[in-house]
Amino acid sequence: DVKVTQSSRYLVKRTGEKVFLECVQDMDHENMFWYRQDPGLGLRLIYFSYDVKMKEKGDIPEGYSVSREKKERFSLILESASTNQTSMYLCASWRIGTALHFGNGTRLTVT
Amino acid sequence: DQQVKQNSPSLSVQEGRISILNCDYTNSMFDYFLWYKKYPAEGPTFLISISSIKDKNEDGRFTVFLNKSAKHLSLHIVPSQPGDSAVYFCAAQGGSEKLVFGKGTKLTVNP
Repeated sequence: DVKVTQSSRYLVKRTGEKVFLECVQDMDHENMFWYRQDPGLGLRLIYFSYDVKMKEKGDIPEGYSVSREKKERFSLILESASTNQTSMYLCASWRIGTALHFGNGTRLTVT
Repeated sequence: DQQVKQNSPSLSVQEGRISILNCDYTNSMFDYFLWYKKYPAEGPTFLISISSIKDKNEDGRFTVFLNKSAKHLSLHIVPSQPGDSAVYFCAAQGGSEKLVFGKGTKLTVNP
């Protein structure tokens, strides 16, 4: 069974801090994704990666960057956190022919 | 422009009755459709899928119907149980392209 692990369930950060959200998957999936979920807005794609060191912008990449140095790990970086980045962040991994598998999410609060 | 639309933000049904969640899409290139279920503070979990070569797929209490000519799909849950209370996301995909999600419908099943 696919396991997608997000390092933190809850985070509280201050405005202007640099924030790292880590995600690891154990099924050798090529594709990994970062979404944010906000009430009334559904799941919005921030960034995704098709392979190591490759990244593509999603629908809302502004204020974020990503890093994929190893196949199993995909990191989301908030260079300078702002209050409008308070959200639930969801990591997912995927291989063609399978369903997207999500981690349990990180609830980030920026004060 | 939203390619996948869930026009009902919320739905409330009585335990034992049928829950029907609807989803419309605009992109005729979509050929694979999925439903995800999400509890608060957890990541979405895959529920059921259907490919465009079928018009119905069943899994226990869950059935997904696809009407390609209307670009419409629906998820039926029968009988509904209080544990089904969650947010349900419809998602669609064309070929190897990334999934496109709807904004979700919050289902409440009342005992």
